[in-house]
Amino acid sequence: AQSVSQHNHHVILSEAASLELGCNYSYGGTVNLFWYVQYPGQHLQLLLKYFSGDPLVKGIKGFEAEFIKSKFSFNLRKPSVQWSDTAEYFCAVMSGGSYIPTFGRGTSLIVHP
Amino acid sequence: DGGITQSPKYLFRKEGQNVTLSCEQNLNHDAMYWYRQDPGQGLRLIYYSQIVNDFQKGDIAEGYSVSREKKESFPLTVTSAQKNPTAFYLCASSPRTFGTEAFFGQGTRLTVV
Repeated sequence: AQSVSQHNHHVILSEAASLELGCNYSYGGTVNLFWYVQYPGQHLQLLLKYFSGDPLVKGIKGFEAEFIKSKFSFNLRKPSVQWSDTAEYFCAVMSGGSYIPTFGRGTSLIVHP
Repeated sequence: DGGITQSPKYLFRKEGQNVTLSCEQNLNHDAMYWYRQDPGQGLRLIYYSQIVNDFQKGDIAEGYSVSREKKESFPLTVTSAQKNPTAFYLCASSPRTFGTEAFFGQGTRLTVV
């Protein structure tokens, strides 16, 4: 069974700091990768996704992620965070032709103004 | 507006009672899912349905039941057999296509006292 690991469970940053959240998955075949965000009191929404092609994908609100197949990784980055980025972030993967996403445990990000 | 509606937002039940959580979507998606979200554990799949009148157990199906009598509806029943039912429950849907993201409802927070 596929699995997703998010290494950082809690991250605390000051505004303007750079962000990188780690995500590794276990499946070695074709994968689709996603980052979702859950702002306080809101539903999960898609930040970005990788399907094929350019391994560097850009999402909403200045986020980007890089798919590194050799490392089974899909880390999320943002060069300068804002207070409004405070949220929980989830990495998810679809693999082996399955359209059912498997999620990581999530990373809680707090950005201090 | 197209989307997924979960009701109610907050639900309180006494221990030993069954309770049903509602999930309706008007996105014309074939697949629907129920996830359970607990702090530090991410989203864990309870049940999923690929098509009307068909559903499959996910990773933590014990103590839960579902039905899929209509394409737009996928209610979840938390039975008295579920040992730790207090949690945040998320319903999602997606086209039955590899690489397409899932869309989520606002969630139902169930508290069993």
